[in-house]
Amino acid sequence: DTEVTQTPKHLVMGMTNKKSLKCEQHMGHRAMYWYKQKAKKPPELMFVYSYEKLSINESVPSRFSPECPNSSLLNLHLHALQPEDSALYLCASSLGGQGIYEQYFGPGTRLTVT
Amino acid sequence: RKEVEQDPGPFNVPEGATVAFNCTYSNSASQSFFWYRQDCRKEPKLLMSVYSSGNEDGRFTAQLNRASQYISLLIRDSKLSDSATYLCVVRWRGGADGLTFGKGTHLIIQP
Repeated sequence: DTEVTQTPKHLVMGMTNKKSLKCEQHMGHRAMYWYKQKAKKPPELMFVYSYEKLSINESVPSRFSPECPNSSLLNLHLHALQPEDSALYLCASSLGGQGIYEQYFGPGTRLTVT
Repeated sequence: RKEVEQDPGPFNVPEGATVAFNCTYSNSASQSFFWYRQDCRKEPKLLMSVYSSGNEDGRFTAQLNRASQYISLLIRDSKLSDSATYLCVVRWRGGADGLTFGKGTHLIIQP
């Protein structure tokens, strides 16, 4: 089973709202990722968690705040977003460590900021 | 610099034909290579990893040329369901690093 689940599927929020995106996997993977994908563009890496510790932050604005409560869960807390933050937010997971470890993506949360 | 370059297409190919995509990457320290496919408004799905010796999975064959820094994907006997965007993907260092995606090649299989 290579399933990564994400909730919600769709989210509309105002610029003053606070919301959270959730991601879950039960494959025993120890690395989890957040990507952002704008229309007709490839996914862009935002954050990497490795063994529940933030290992990479690709200069993402502080209005995006990741959290990894345990090895199966990954959250992305959103606050004071801008309309240009509207995008598909993808979560992925992999075994982590060295080697050719593939990443598996969840279905994404389609976010619209009004 | 970390860049992955692909021809965006679209490639319009008749059903049953063979089609090949190439991809070049900028950093010789690259660690791992993959092809993903992405359907419209869906998440990327792993098609295959690319091994140094080349590898095949059914109608799909992937090749890696580290000296020239390019990766290829060959699709034989193309099906209508192969229509999608094919993303060339590189991981630059270790296993927990994020992926860098090419812009994707759009493939349209025509009946």
